[in-house]
Amino acid sequence: DAMVIQNPRYQVTQFGKPVTLSCSQTLNHNVMYWYQQKSSQAPKLLFHYYDKDFNNEADTPDNFQSRRPNTSFCFLDIRSPGLGDAAMYLCATSRDPAQQETQYFGPGTRLLVL
Amino acid sequence: AQKVTQAQTEISVVEKEDVTLDCVYETRDTTYYLFWYKQPPSGELVFLIRRNSFDEQNEISGRYSWNFQKSTSSFNFTITASQVVDSAVYFCALSEEYSGAGSYQLTFGKGTKLSVIP
Repeated sequence: DAMVIQNPRYQVTQFGKPVTLSCSQTLNHNVMYWYQQKSSQAPKLLFHYYDKDFNNEADTPDNFQSRRPNTSFCFLDIRSPGLGDAAMYLCATSRDPAQQETQYFGPGTRLLVL
Repeated sequence: AQKVTQAQTEISVVEKEDVTLDCVYETRDTTYYLFWYKQPPSGELVFLIRRNSFDEQNEISGRYSWNFQKSTSSFNFTITASQVVDSAVYFCALSEEYSGAGSYQLTFGKGTKLSVIP
């Protein structure tokens, strides 16, 4: 089945130690999104790639970076995680944002910062 | 700015009861899409429905039904004969143009936590 895959499902890191979360998709969608979701809150968009074009949300901290080496993969890098960065990180894809297509989400990575 | 309001923070029902989750939205766009997602305790956001603003027909999918009322800017979701597996957080979302760039992003409501008690 076509899907969105996130690894790992759970990630524990130390305060200030860089961490990378990964997302892959077999849907061949043009757009990949990264969301941060804290407990009991709605998902918050961090950034998205439309093909190779990177779009950063204005309030996304500089501590968060992303890479998309090819259509299938997208990475979220947190350069110096703080305690406030502990959250669920959700990756999503959509075929064509201009058509307001559905976003399909992966299972998420729960990040714990010690 | 676009906005999605889910006034019900938490709802508890007994199994087999019907339950309706409310969603009210604000937008200046004439063409827009509305979505519902389910987030079970495992965390994955599961897509349920996408509805075009020009299509006001109600939709039914098994025990799920959706009532879209453009006149009141509401897109409510009803689960009939609820089951324990329906326990989850449900998010309503509205597509919003991204910085005038011709691409769209989702504006989510704060979600409604549904607990179905056996």
